[in-house]
Amino acid sequence: QVQLVESGGGVVQPGRSLRLSCAASEFTFSNYPMHWVRQAPGKGLEWVAVISNSGGNQYYADSVKGRFTISRDNSKNMLHLQMTSLRSDDTAVYYCARERNYFGSGSYLGPWGQGTLVTVSS
Amino acid sequence: DIQMTQSPSSLSASVGDRVTITCRTSQTISRNLNWYQQKPGKAPALLIYATSSLQSGVPSRFSGSGSGTDFTLTISSLQPEDFATYYCQQSYSTPALTFGGGTKVEIK
Repeated sequence: QVQLVESGGGVVQPGRSLRLSCAASEFTFSNYPMHWVRQAPGKGLEWVAVISNSGGNQYYADSVKGRFTISRDNSKNMLHLQMTSLRSDDTAVYYCARERNYFGSGSYLGPWGQGTLVTVSS
Repeated sequence: DIQMTQSPSSLSASVGDRVTITCRTSQTISRNLNWYQQKPGKAPALLIYATSSLQSGVPSRFSGSGSGTDFTLTISSLQPEDFATYYCQQSYSTPALTFGGGTKVEIK
């Protein structure tokens, strides 16, 4: 079945960088925009970034703009999130998710990966 | 940016109860509203999309309604496996997405 598996999380010091990856399988990866969504401990969901199916367009939440870069490799069915200048408030579980469009102009996220925890701490 | 307000932020209910969660947006979003369920330690999962369309495999006790700025998720008869946190999400103002703050449904 359709599967997304994140990796790359861990403990990192403030100001350092980390790269997350999301491996996609059992669907035509290059047909779908992909998102990163994060969830700080005990908090709600926060949208982080989206990349178009071709990789040509990327959009970011204001909270990460200029520090995070979303990218994809359609030949390898991989999504990435390069995170730089990390801060303590970036501590969260990071999920990748596939965007699906429905009739009209709407869309939803599904499925989601299991998430990878990033802890920014000295 | 579209702001989304979910209420209540938490509720306690018993098995068999009818539960209603509301989501209000700061501007009209037509029917571009989705609902997700998240259980502890798990990723969110889609329940309802486009306000009222049930995702495949989701029990019929879940339903959604609304339009414009006011939306509702209803669980007609709460089951033990429904105790979770529920989030609304708008897809009208893209590419950025916005989530509501969540509603935690707990056992009374």
